[in-house]
Amino acid sequence: GAGVSQSPSNKVTEKGKDVELRCDPISGHTALYWYRQSLGQGLEFLIYFQGNSAPDKSGLPSDRFSAERTGGSVSTLTIQRTQQEDSAVYLCASSLGTRDTIYFGEGSWLTVV
Amino acid sequence: DQQVKQNSPSLSVQEGRISILNCDYTNSMFDYFLWYKKYPAEGPTFLISISSIKDKNEDGRFTVFLNKSAKHLSLHIVPSQPGDSAVYFCAASAPGGTSYGKLTFGQGTILTVHP
Repeated sequence: GAGVSQSPSNKVTEKGKDVELRCDPISGHTALYWYRQSLGQGLEFLIYFQGNSAPDKSGLPSDRFSAERTGGSVSTLTIQRTQQEDSAVYLCASSLGTRDTIYFGEGSWLTVV
Repeated sequence: DQQVKQNSPSLSVQEGRISILNCDYTNSMFDYFLWYKKYPAEGPTFLISISSIKDKNEDGRFTVFLNKSAKHLSLHIVPSQPGDSAVYFCAASAPGGTSYGKLTFGQGTILTVHP
């Protein structure tokens, strides 16, 4: 499809396990963002990538969270040793450039039990 | 510290009437503001934006007003339609070379438009 694609759409994991969430941005978009939305909360910025520049990681809540973007396209968000408070919808977004409108994917619902 | 606040968790409006969604912010460095709409099980979709150099931006049924002195913005939907029922998020971005995608979001307001 033409939109931002995320997988898995739903993930249930046990506390302490690692999870990986994948994002395929819109083709040609150079900027890619990760956000999360916890229950009853607004969207919280996590990290963004722009081209080959070093990512802005200022929103990552702890060192258990990391993300990479290979080849300037697909991105993976990794959460190590998951905790129950990590349960949220993780949303990926992309934009043509950093000053352009961002388009969100449908999100990956993560539940840590 | 909630830098962008939507104090009304929900709003109910009759079809055909005006919906007014409000948003307050505390960071005076914000210079670009956006509204996103979100349906259940979908990602947020961009609705309308406004730069801090303007006080109004209109797009069809949607108008955003910005009052910088009050650090307040609002989204007006006229006339409201049942299909407008969704969660509305206001978001803000700061200048200084940062991305318009690095946004600070409010908590959202659930709008229900009754037929």
